[in-house]
Amino acid sequence: NAGVTQTPKFQVLKTGQSMTLQCAQDMNHEYMSWYRQDPGMGLRLIHYSVGAGITDQGEVPNGYNVSRSTTEDFPLRLLSAAPSQTSVYFCASSFGTGGLRQYFGPGTRLTVL
Amino acid sequence: AQSVTQLDSQVPVFEEAPVELRCNYSSSVSVYLFWYVQYPNQGLQLLLKYLSGSTLVESINGFEAEFNKSQTSFHLRKPSVHISDTAEYFCAVSEATSGTYKYIFGTGTRLKVLA
Repeated sequence: NAGVTQTPKFQVLKTGQSMTLQCAQDMNHEYMSWYRQDPGMGLRLIHYSVGAGITDQGEVPNGYNVSRSTTEDFPLRLLSAAPSQTSVYFCASSFGTGGLRQYFGPGTRLTVL
Repeated sequence: AQSVTQLDSQVPVFEEAPVELRCNYSSSVSVYLFWYVQYPNQGLQLLLKYLSGSTLVESINGFEAEFNKSQTSFHLRKPSVHISDTAEYFCAVSEATSGTYKYIFGTGTRLKVLA
């Protein structure tokens, strides 16, 4: 199993550009989520999904869109990038809720100029 | 609403010395508690978790954490650290009752093991 994969590893954008961060998992996990990691702020939940076709907002959803058309994929879209979105983004997946462990991808380091 | 506090942003410690990384949480409902570790330029990996039962939980690499309900704490300890333990450690909490998928992470503690 490849686990949770993310592409790209690094990305530099100009303010106002759009892009999609890709996330895929091959463990048949129902639950997937996106976090951003900023210095001194830990991980903050952006959006999450409890199954194909079902998504919901996390703690910091503004400026980001998600969709979940398949169990395997959970892309994160930035429609108009802003410098405040410079961060490291992690995708995670899990079999279920609550006490089950999350499996994290290696991260995407995004810089918005 | 839940919250997690990791008061120590950085903890330097000499190799083979003991270490404790502190985590306190706030919640009005029962919770599950986790410690994740992040090695440089990698994603997070689960270190250990408390769901129910024995309040002392252990990991395979010598870390342990104790759930203290009265003090709302879940401190991580290791009696003798190695250079390879240098990493950032995150405490996390999830509600145990609602079936929610939402995890709340602390701000992290960077453990630096010195030779």
